[in-house]
Amino acid sequence: QKEVEQDPGPLSVPEGAIVSLNCTYSNSAFQYFMWYRQYSRKGPELLMYTYSSGNKEDGRFTAQVDKSSKYISLFIRDSQPSDSATYLCASNAGGTSYGKLTFGQGTILTVHP
Amino acid sequence: DTAVSQTPKYLVTQMGNDKSIKCEQNLGHDTMYWYKQDSKKFLKIMFSYNNKELIINETVPNRFSPKSPDKAHLNLHINSLELGDSAVYFCASSQETGGGGRFYFGPGTRLLVL
Repeated sequence: QKEVEQDPGPLSVPEGAIVSLNCTYSNSAFQYFMWYRQYSRKGPELLMYTYSSGNKEDGRFTAQVDKSSKYISLFIRDSQPSDSATYLCASNAGGTSYGKLTFGQGTILTVHP
Repeated sequence: DTAVSQTPKYLVTQMGNDKSIKCEQNLGHDTMYWYKQDSKKFLKIMFSYNNKELIINETVPNRFSPKSPDKAHLNLHINSLELGDSAVYFCASSQETGGGGRFYFGPGTRLLVL
């Protein structure tokens, strides 16, 4: 079993839709949770960064972490064609393993006009 | 003013050859990494360096040898390339140590071994 599981999709939605992307993780030591966006043939770009359970909002993006159920979510409101990309969730435990980001497989999202 | 840059962007080579990938970051970060992304888009850490010192060395064949001449540079040398080495290699950097880091990735080097 992978430490971070993510439905690879693909997910296709119309412009303006609310998108929900989800990951589950199995390592109880994970404390830091991130969402990266990766456009085709580009490097991953940090989108959201959270520590501990709760919600964090940044513009149209909301990251949600539920440590009790080991569940990570990213919500995109009013989705735009420019949001079409692969979205990767990632976690790490901090401490001496701070460099070891564990990624989910990525969800391919297409927002069509 | 690219934050993390890598060269080359594309690398096509024959099995058995030796090749190097270079990485530079101008963010002033202390820690740099090499990640490998396979054909299924799965990203996995290979190495991390903090201030030129090797911190993480995942179970990577010893044909892969990272080198950090200074904290702004991290290179990856691969000996005796194999077909299975074909992947995209990403360099990354971060500043935080001991806590969760905000990782910044380079554009990737697409390696194809024929």
